[in-house]
Amino acid sequence: ETGVTQSPTHLIKTRGQQVTLRCSSQSGHNTVSWYQQALGQGPQFIFQYYREEENGRGNFPPRFSGLQFPNYSSELNVNALELDDSALYLCASSSQGTVNTEAFFGQGTRLTVV
Amino acid sequence: AQSVTQLGSHVSVSEGALVLLRCNYSSSVPPYLFWYVQYPNQGLQLLLKYTTGATLVKGINGFEAEFKKSETSFHLTKPSAHMSDAAEYFCAVRTNSGYSTLTFGKGTMLLVSP
Repeated sequence: ETGVTQSPTHLIKTRGQQVTLRCSSQSGHNTVSWYQQALGQGPQFIFQYYREEENGRGNFPPRFSGLQFPNYSSELNVNALELDDSALYLCASSSQGTVNTEAFFGQGTRLTVV
Repeated sequence: AQSVTQLGSHVSVSEGALVLLRCNYSSSVPPYLFWYVQYPNQGLQLLLKYTTGATLVKGINGFEAEFKKSETSFHLTKPSAHMSDAAEYFCAVRTNSGYSTLTFGKGTMLLVSP
C-alpha cells in the first residue's frame, strides 16, 4: 500500500455542477500528477504540479484546474461537469529531480456524473 | 511524442500456464518503461520498471519483462499463472520533456481459469 491517499472514494454529481477531489502525496514527494481513467481505458494525464505550480498539462480543457499546497497535497477541480467526465481519477506522487523517479498511485476517486 | 500499444485487450490463460502480455512503445528518446497492475476498484500498483542497465527486469509476484530496443518492445511474462494474477495490466512509458509523466497503453485484462 502506498502513502498516497485520495478523497472521497466515490462521488455522484449532476451535470453542470462543480467538483473538488483531494490527494495527499507520499511523504518526501514534491510532485503530484492527476490522471483520468475512463471505463475500459488507460489513464490519461491531466496535469502535474511541482512546487505549487502547474508545470505540465495534457489535452484537457481549462475547466479542469488544480492546486498544490505547501505540504505538497493537491486538489483537482472540475467545473461545469459533463457526462463524459465520469471516470476514475487517479493521483500519483513522485519526487521531481531524482533519477529513476517512480510514481506512486492512490486508490482513486470514482466520479459519476448524472 | 511517446505512445504505447498493448496488443490484446483480453488475454485468457489457465492456472499454471505461461503469461505473456505484449507492449510496444514509441519514443524519440531512450525510454523509461513500466508495467502496472490494477485490481478491480483499485489504483495502480507498480510491477516493474526499466530505466537503464540490464534489459531483463524482475518485478513483484514473479513477473518479469525484457526491454528489446530493436523491437521497441517491453513484453511482460510470468512462467506460471496464479488465480490471484487476474487483473488489468498497463504498460507505460515515461516522458521526459521538461517534466516527467506517464503515457499509458489501453490495458490488457488477464483472465485466469482453474
